[in-house]
Amino acid sequence: DAGVIQSPRHEVTEMGQEVTLRCKPISGHDYLFWYRQTMMRGLELLIYFNNNVPIDDSGMPEDRFSAKMPNASFSTLKIQPSEPRDSAVYFCASLPGTGVMGTDTQYFGPGTRLTVL
Amino acid sequence: SQQGEEDPQALSIQEGENATMNCSYKTSINNLQWYRQNSGRGLVHLILIRSNEREKHSGRLRVTLDTSKKSSSLLITASRAADTASYFCATHPPGGGNKLTFGTGTQLKVEL
Repeated sequence: DAGVIQSPRHEVTEMGQEVTLRCKPISGHDYLFWYRQTMMRGLELLIYFNNNVPIDDSGMPEDRFSAKMPNASFSTLKIQPSEPRDSAVYFCASLPGTGVMGTDTQYFGPGTRLTVL
Repeated sequence: SQQGEEDPQALSIQEGENATMNCSYKTSINNLQWYRQNSGRGLVHLILIRSNEREKHSGRLRVTLDTSKKSSSLLITASRAADTASYFCATHPPGGGNKLTFGTGTQLKVEL
């Protein structure tokens, strides 16, 4: 298994531009999570999906952020328009969802390092 | 918001020594997990301890949990240079679905 795949690995863009981050979860995993990691705020959960349906988006910072999961093998996180304070590493993680709630392991992708100039 | 606070923030030891990291959290939990993050990589799950467990072992890892003090510790014995990484605790609250809240992390450096 290739694990969780994220693209691009690095993204540099200018303020005001639209940014789209992509994630392919591990096949058969029912849950998908988007996190943001910065030095100041640590690792923050932005949103998570169960069977392609958003369950909790309370961590999404602003309306500039949106996430979709059109099918079980693909998710996007979009920032429009981007701002310098959005610079961070964005991680996608997936989880099988077959075990007792809360006991499954989350499998993280390698992350996308976003720099907004 | 972060549920867990790791202590210390950074730790530097010599290869062969033991490393102990602590995690304190604020609300009740169903279980607590520890993850490792190598520089520039995603997090990797290490071990899970349930709220009714007090200690758990996995290889060179030993985790303890004290729910009365809302704290956990991760001990890595006989550390190796390859253990150099950041270590995070993550808590799963009752009724939290499959959502985890991660702590601030401890940066461990193991020197040769």
